[in-house]
Amino acid sequence: DTAVSQTPKYLVTQMGNDKSIKCEQNLGHDTMYWYKQDSKKFLKIMFSYNNKELIINETVPNRFSPKSPDKAHLNLHINSLELGDSAVYFCASSLRQQGGGELFFGEGSRLTVL
Amino acid sequence: SQQGEEDPQALSIQEGENATMNCSYKTSINNLQWYRQNSGRGLVHLILIRSNEREKHSGRLRVTLDTSKKSSSLLITASRAADTASYFCATDAAGSGNTGKLIFGQGTTLQVKP
Repeated sequence: DTAVSQTPKYLVTQMGNDKSIKCEQNLGHDTMYWYKQDSKKFLKIMFSYNNKELIINETVPNRFSPKSPDKAHLNLHINSLELGDSAVYFCASSLRQQGGGELFFGEGSRLTVL
Repeated sequence: SQQGEEDPQALSIQEGENATMNCSYKTSINNLQWYRQNSGRGLVHLILIRSNEREKHSGRLRVTLDTSKKSSSLLITASRAADTASYFCATDAAGSGNTGKLIFGQGTTLQVKP
């Protein structure tokens, strides 16, 4: 069983569309994250949730809206997609919020905006 | 904001040689972690070293931490073609409010030639 799974793996869409990426973890972790990796492989945190509560929101445009229906799921909805949103989006989880522990990453969702 | 910088950006070696990657950061940390990313895949945690530790080993991996110089190094001994990947350091900043936020460096791309 995959520990952190995200869907879809690839997403190609037109500018202005709205899209969602889903993430689920079966590790029983309390904390989940969304990271964005650009074409130069730079990885930047976007959001984190701890037990469904938003903890980190890193000055991400409000076109990006995370939703955590329960602590095992963290979805990312993006409105009015722009060319600059093209990137690989990674979901990750950690056992708990405190302590800066090990992150477990999903395989990534590559978003291409045309 | 704090960001790790890695050196070199790219490294190409022959199988059997050792590979050394360096990471520098800007502010005090609680811990520093190293991750590996194979092409097209998610990041995988390799090792975590706490701010009060100076050296840590895991199999063929050796990590050092020098908090006075705000730097860390990752040594992979007796490299194999399967070690070909990008390697990232990530820091958990002290005083970050226990948010679990990790700041990633830009990575070193390692190629091990058979």
